[in-house]
Amino acid sequence: DTGVSQDPRHKITKRGQNVTFRCDPISEHNRLYWYRQTLGQGPEFLTYFQNEAQLEKSRLLSDRFSAERPKGSFSTLEIQRTEQGDSAMYLCASSPTIGTETYEQYFGPGTRLTVT
Amino acid sequence: AQSVTQLDSHVSVSEGTPVLLRCNYSSSYSPSLFWYVQHPNKGLQLLLKYTSAATLVKGINGFEAEFKKSETSFHLTKPSAHMSDAAEYFCVVSGQRRALTFGSGTRLQVQP
Repeated sequence: DTGVSQDPRHKITKRGQNVTFRCDPISEHNRLYWYRQTLGQGPEFLTYFQNEAQLEKSRLLSDRFSAERPKGSFSTLEIQRTEQGDSAMYLCASSPTIGTETYEQYFGPGTRLTVT
Repeated sequence: AQSVTQLDSHVSVSEGTPVLLRCNYSSSYSPSLFWYVQHPNKGLQLLLKYTSAATLVKGINGFEAEFKKSETSFHLTKPSAHMSDAAEYFCVVSGQRRALTFGSGTRLQVQP
């Protein structure tokens, strides 16, 4: 399968614990995005990378959240000191950029986080 | 700044009848517009996209959408609904920064 993959698919953690999610984009895609989706809502943008550079972070991304893409391939999203309000589906997407044109984003299946 | 408003949170149709899911957008730039579909427990799938070429865009599974700049609308239609079309549909705008802004979604229910 050559689509976007995410791991784990589900994570249950206790409040105050740290969690880390991984995203593997489609191999030739140089842009990688993270979104968060809560129940009954559309996904909301968190951050994105072009290759290994993190180009933008949303105001939603508090200082407890950090994302990396060290070699411009896979990315990790870490949440420190989780809170119940962090419970959501975390989605990763990737897209190619050719010249100045950016194409549609392809989404992974998501990681569902439940904070108890 | 950009935003999307999906005018109906739920739409129910009978199998074989037309589908209309309504979307209005706001963007400071010439937008790219998309419709994505999300089936239960599955990832988001791109249905179609508009990127300033033809205003009538055809997508997968018989869906199409028409970009109307004067009305700032991008409604999704399908001539004949199928049971497998039941899902959550998101209208999406991509502006200058390329991150996507999603609408709140429309849940399509298809009755037998």
